[in-house]
Amino acid sequence: SAVISQKPSRDICQRGTSLTIQCQVDSQVTMMFWYRQQPGQSLTLIATANQGSEATYESGFVIDKFPISRPNLTFSTLTVSNMSPEDSSIYLCSVGWGPNTEAFFGQGTRLTVV
Amino acid sequence: AQKITQTQPGMFVQEKEAVTLDCTYDTSDQSYGLFWYKQPSSGEMIFLIYQGSYDEQNATEGRYSLNFQKARKSANLVISASQLGDSAMYFCAIRRTRNTPLVFGKGTRLSVIA
Repeated sequence: SAVISQKPSRDICQRGTSLTIQCQVDSQVTMMFWYRQQPGQSLTLIATANQGSEATYESGFVIDKFPISRPNLTFSTLTVSNMSPEDSSIYLCSVGWGPNTEAFFGQGTRLTVV
Repeated sequence: AQKITQTQPGMFVQEKEAVTLDCTYDTSDQSYGLFWYKQPSSGEMIFLIYQGSYDEQNATEGRYSLNFQKARKSANLVISASQLGDSAMYFCAIRRTRNTPLVFGKGTRLSVIA
C-alpha cells in the first residue's frame, strides 16, 4: 500500500492570505489528485497533478486560485490563494495504487478561514 | 461521464445488526472500479472495499461485503455485526483506472445505536 503524509492537518487563516498544503507519498506515483470537501458535502475534484506537466483543473477551479506543484513522483503541493471564508473546507490529496484496486488518501487538511 | 447515486442521507442501525448502504452508478465504460470509503468525524478517508467491473465474485473484507449487481448498476455495501465505531459517513465512488480520479456520491451518514 501507499502511505501519504499530508500537512498541515488543520489551520485557521485570515482572509486574504494563502496556505500551502503538502502531500508526500512513500512511493513513486504517476498521478496525484486534489479534492475539496466543503462542510457537510461530498468530495469534489479540484485538479489532477501529473509530474512534469501542468495540472489539469476541473470546471470551477482555476490555477490562480489553486496553484499546484508536482516537482517529482512522490510530492505535490496545493496552494489556496487569497482565501475567503468560502474556502473553509477539508482538502485531501489522493493517489491510485496497485493494478486497479486501491486509492489512498492523505489525512486531510481542515482549513478554517476567518 | 461517471456518476454515483447514494439515496440514503442517513441510516440508523442497532449494534450487532447488519446494515446495507445503497449505491447505484452510471458509466459508459466497460472497465471500472467501485470503492467504498468510511469518513469518521476526524475527516480522514478510510478505504473499505473494492469491486472491479469484471470481478465475478462479490468482494468481502472482514465485516464488509459488497453486493455487486452489474446489470442493475448497483454496488451496495453490507456491514455485518455493526459496532459503535462504525458510526461515520460512508462514500461510494467509481473510477476507470488507478490514474484517473474517483467520482464520489453524496454519502450516507450511518449511526449505530447501542
